[in-house]
Amino acid sequence: AQKVTQAQTEISVVEKEDVTLDCVYETRDTTYYLFWYKQPPSGELVFLIRRNSFDEQNEISGRYSWNFQKSTSSFNFTITASQVVDSAVYFCALIAIKAAGNKLTFGGGTRVLVKP
Amino acid sequence: DAGVIQSPRHEVTEMGQEVTLRCKPISGHDYLFWYRQTMMRGLELLIYFNNNVPIDDSGMPEDRFSAKMPNASFSTLKIQPSEPRDSAVYFCASRKQASGANVLTFGAGSRLTVL
Repeated sequence: AQKVTQAQTEISVVEKEDVTLDCVYETRDTTYYLFWYKQPPSGELVFLIRRNSFDEQNEISGRYSWNFQKSTSSFNFTITASQVVDSAVYFCALIAIKAAGNKLTFGGGTRVLVKP
Repeated sequence: DAGVIQSPRHEVTEMGQEVTLRCKPISGHDYLFWYRQTMMRGLELLIYFNNNVPIDDSGMPEDRFSAKMPNASFSTLKIQPSEPRDSAVYFCASRKQASGANVLTFGAGSRLTVL
């Protein structure tokens, strides 16, 4: 079985503050992929990043950065210098190929509210 | 690239009525997924297809739900009869196996309200 846990249901920050979203996953597979999706108030699901289980390099894309640590089964996401446009629900997700085929399992999501 | 196209975007219906949601995947994508999003259960996979063939429908709630993919460019999710607890946002997503990226591209969703 595969499982994704996002313990933070909602985070509220003031613009320009940094915010870190936690994601913990469970799988017995050695080959898996981790994702982050953004769901803005308009409702669509927007892909942000994918990581495979063999690549633990952290990644930075503009104000976004991701910290993947297999030792703690975590794939955390940081928004630096947050902006009002970052207000959205963010989902962490997992595909474990052998255990679950092509099923993308989502965490419960973390709602980020950035106040001006 | 037009992305994944879903229709209708909003549907309001009365309990007992038949509801049909439609999806056009991205051209060339060979996997299609139907997800449902509710406050209580979050995002859950209902069913997915590979090359138009249903592979796993274990997430379909009950016999009132059915999904078809008659060709590579069209899929439907049908609820008959609908119930208030079916109210949710239904997402369709597609991906291309050959890309190796396992990235699903989602449609804008169909918001269903059953009164």
